[in-house]
Amino acid sequence: GENVEQHPSTLSVQEGDSAVIKCTYSDSASNYFPWYKQELGKRPQLIIDIRSNVGEKKDQRIAVTLNKTAKHFSLHITETQPEDSAVYFCAASLSGGGADGLTFGKGTHLIIQP
Amino acid sequence: GAVVSQHPSRVICKSGTSVKIECRSLDFQATTMFWYRQFPKQSLMLMATSNEGSKATYEQGVEKDKFLINHASLTLSTLTVTSAHPEDSSFYICSANGGTGELFFGEGSRLTVL
Repeated sequence: GENVEQHPSTLSVQEGDSAVIKCTYSDSASNYFPWYKQELGKRPQLIIDIRSNVGEKKDQRIAVTLNKTAKHFSLHITETQPEDSAVYFCAASLSGGGADGLTFGKGTHLIIQP
Repeated sequence: GAVVSQHPSRVICKSGTSVKIECRSLDFQATTMFWYRQFPKQSLMLMATSNEGSKATYEQGVEKDKFLINHASLTLSTLTVTSAHPEDSSFYICSANGGTGELFFGEGSRLTVL
């Protein structure tokens, strides 16, 4: 089955700086890669996703890049703000997130230092 | 976006009793729902795929007789933890495909077994 590795497990950055979280996946057939933000005790919230036919996607301060050849994808957050502090999970799916459940990375605890 | 509601949000039970958790898609029909389990400070682990009108598909290592899943309608899936023990204490989250490929999560249910 799919295996998703995520790094780092903890990331501390100064407010205003950029944060980058990286994930690798094992199954070359995976074609959907979402990123979720989860605050303590709450449900994961989708913040951005990318499909395998696209190399990069951007939404305001958040961007995701995908390298299919190397089987890795990254989340980039620019101009970080205190409210960005949370746990971020990457995930991969074989069927575009529809018919199959997602395989999640272990998560990155992002800490924004004021 | 689509709304998935989960109930109860918190439940405390005695060891040996059974607990039922409901997951509802409020504004869309979901032929497939997914049940995840999350231990403190850990990632979401897919437990099973709930299929409307048929048997659930369980991930390797998940006891189907322990975690009973019923998907009797297109808007409701239930997870019953039978003969619960303290090691079953966890955060259980369901999700459903909203029709666009994006998975929407319920609020989660925190189970504490005494």
